[in-house]
Amino acid sequence: QLQLQESGPGLVKPSETLSLTCTVSGGSISSSSHYWGWMRQPPGKGLEWIASISYSGTTYFNPSLKSRVTISVDTSKNQFSLKLSSVTAADTALFYCVRSVGDRPYDIWGQGTMVTVSS
Amino acid sequence: EIVLTQSPGTLSLSPGERATLSCRASQSLRSSYLAWFQQKPGQAPRLLIYGASNRATGIPDRFSGSGSGTDFTLTISRLEPEDFAVYYCQQYGISPLTFGGGTKVEIK
Repeated sequence: QLQLQESGPGLVKPSETLSLTCTVSGGSISSSSHYWGWMRQPPGKGLEWIASISYSGTTYFNPSLKSRVTISVDTSKNQFSLKLSSVTAADTALFYCVRSVGDRPYDIWGQGTMVTVSS
Repeated sequence: EIVLTQSPGTLSLSPGERATLSCRASQSLRSSYLAWFQQKPGQAPRLLIYGASNRATGIPDRFSGSGSGTDFTLTISRLEPEDFAVYYCQQYGISPLTFGGGTKVEIK
């Protein structure tokens, strides 16, 4: 069964770049029709889609974050990554990596990793 | 972007009762690309319904989804103790993907 696991620093300083990695186990990140993405949830608030990348490398971004976001895949490690630059306290959130297949919604979620932006 | 408005914000019910949750979209959704997720404290969201009315794998049949266009409903026919949680609708047909603000189903 496919599983996702987020990893990365739990604390990032304002103006720096947040970097997270999602390790895929139980399946290949290169699987056809698969899409990999990132969501976030500020403490006590709702969910927000950040960005996604397809099995073929096509990227998709939330316009509200596009200028600060990079998403990439490392097929050799079966991982995909998120970079969010110029972070502020408003970027403090629980970050989830997710998977979808074809035109289905994101059906597999990692357990989430909390990132706090603070000096 | 498509704005999803969920109502009510909080639903106070007893186990065994029926829960009806609403999600309204600011514009018609393509091919009913509307999903429902359940989130319990300290857990990641779990996909319940996709395509407005299709149950995801392993989801009990007491959960059902309906609707099209701009108005969608999640119904829990008889609330079990484990169903008390926050529920989010999400549209995944038009970028950017967006979520509703959530409905909390709490024990009365």
